[in-house]
Amino acid sequence: RKEVEQDPGPFNVPEGATVAFNCTYSNSASQSFFWYRQDCRKEPKLLMSVYSSGNEDGRFTAQLNRASQYISLLIRDSKLSDSATYLCVVGASGAGSYQLTFGKGTKLSVIP
Amino acid sequence: EAGVAQSPRYKIIEKRQSVAFWCNPISGHATLYWYQQILGQGPKLLIQFQNNGVVDDSQLPKDRFSAERLKGVDSTLKIQPAKLEDSAVYLCASSFRRASTEAFFGQGTRLTVV
Repeated sequence: RKEVEQDPGPFNVPEGATVAFNCTYSNSASQSFFWYRQDCRKEPKLLMSVYSSGNEDGRFTAQLNRASQYISLLIRDSKLSDSATYLCVVGASGAGSYQLTFGKGTKLSVIP
Repeated sequence: EAGVAQSPRYKIIEKRQSVAFWCNPISGHATLYWYQQILGQGPKLLIQFQNNGVVDDSQLPKDRFSAERLKGVDSTLKIQPAKLEDSAVYLCASSFRRASTEAFFGQGTRLTVV
């Protein structure tokens, strides 16, 4: 059973396109949700946190549906620099610890 | 503000040899994580420290992997003896609090076992 599941892609989209990534998680007690970005051969970096009310940061919009245990990331007006792997991350407490669980990532390539 | 520091950046060893990785988290971050990232996969948690105590090592292969965080600051991760399947990037991350906060990652150590 995969705890955090993502479509691995790759998503190949032209510049200016809108692209959406989805993620599902299995732990209904999860408390916090994030999208991280990882460039090739680099470390993951936080792109944005995800809140129940939905949140937007420029061209990026993240949404959370707790009932369906589903997280999404929408990128509008894609840029070449958006090419990366996007990791869905879920945080949950259990057995005295708080753990971040990563999905395998969705690879995006924005094409000129 | 200085980020998470890791060394070495790259390491190539033969199977059955031992290797150690070092991590210095962001100052003031009580929580430290070691992750293993195999090519094409997301990071997998190996061990989590809160200050100098282990709070989760359920996915650490304890027959060959060990980690410590003396004095609640720097941490080392050791593999002895290494196997071919240990080839991966080992990422150290830290966070300020235990719950509901993001983790900041170091650049990682790329280990190749031949």
